[in-house]
Amino acid sequence: AQSVSQHNHHVILSEAASLELGCNYSYGGTVNLFWYVQYPGQHLQLLLKYFSGDPLVKGIKGFEAEFIKSKFSFNLRKPSVQWSDTAEYFCAVSTGAGSYQLTFGKGTKLSVIP
Amino acid sequence: NAGVTQTPKFQVLKTGQSMTLQCAQDMNHEYMSWYRQDPGMGLRLIHYSVGAGITDQGEVPNGYNVSRSTTEDFPLRLLSAAPSQTSVYFCASSSSTGSHEQYFGPGTRLTVT
Repeated sequence: AQSVSQHNHHVILSEAASLELGCNYSYGGTVNLFWYVQYPGQHLQLLLKYFSGDPLVKGIKGFEAEFIKSKFSFNLRKPSVQWSDTAEYFCAVSTGAGSYQLTFGKGTKLSVIP
Repeated sequence: NAGVTQTPKFQVLKTGQSMTLQCAQDMNHEYMSWYRQDPGMGLRLIHYSVGAGITDQGEVPNGYNVSRSTTEDFPLRLLSAAPSQTSVYFCASSSSTGSHEQYFGPGTRLTVT
């Protein structure tokens, strides 16, 4: 079975700092990769996804992620964070074409200090 | 479109009680699933369904039942609630075509005392 590791449990940044959240997965076959965000008290929303093609994926709110197959990684980045980015971020993977089951990482809580 | 709706938003149960968490979607999605979210554990899949009449177990199915009689509804039943089932429960749905993006409901916060 696949698994997803998120390296940081809690990240604290000042506004305008750059962000990189790590995500690694363990699965040797075809994968679909996702980053979801959960703002305080809200449900999960999709930030971006990778299915195939260009490994650099751009999402909403200025986020991007790069799929590096050789490293089994899908790190999330943002060049300049805002206080409104304070949230919990989840990396998730599904395996194979037509697969709907998502395996989530444990999440990274991001706190942005004004 | 209302998207994915869940009721109730909050629920307190006593150990041994049973209840049903409701989930409905109006996007005609084939795939629906239930997750539980616990601090430091991320989201874990409880049960899922790829269409009406078809359900299967996820990672943590024990103590939960599901059925899928219609495309729109996917209720989750707790048969005999235990304190270990205290959690936030999310329902999600996805289309079988396109990006397979899963749309999540607002969640049900359940406390079992």
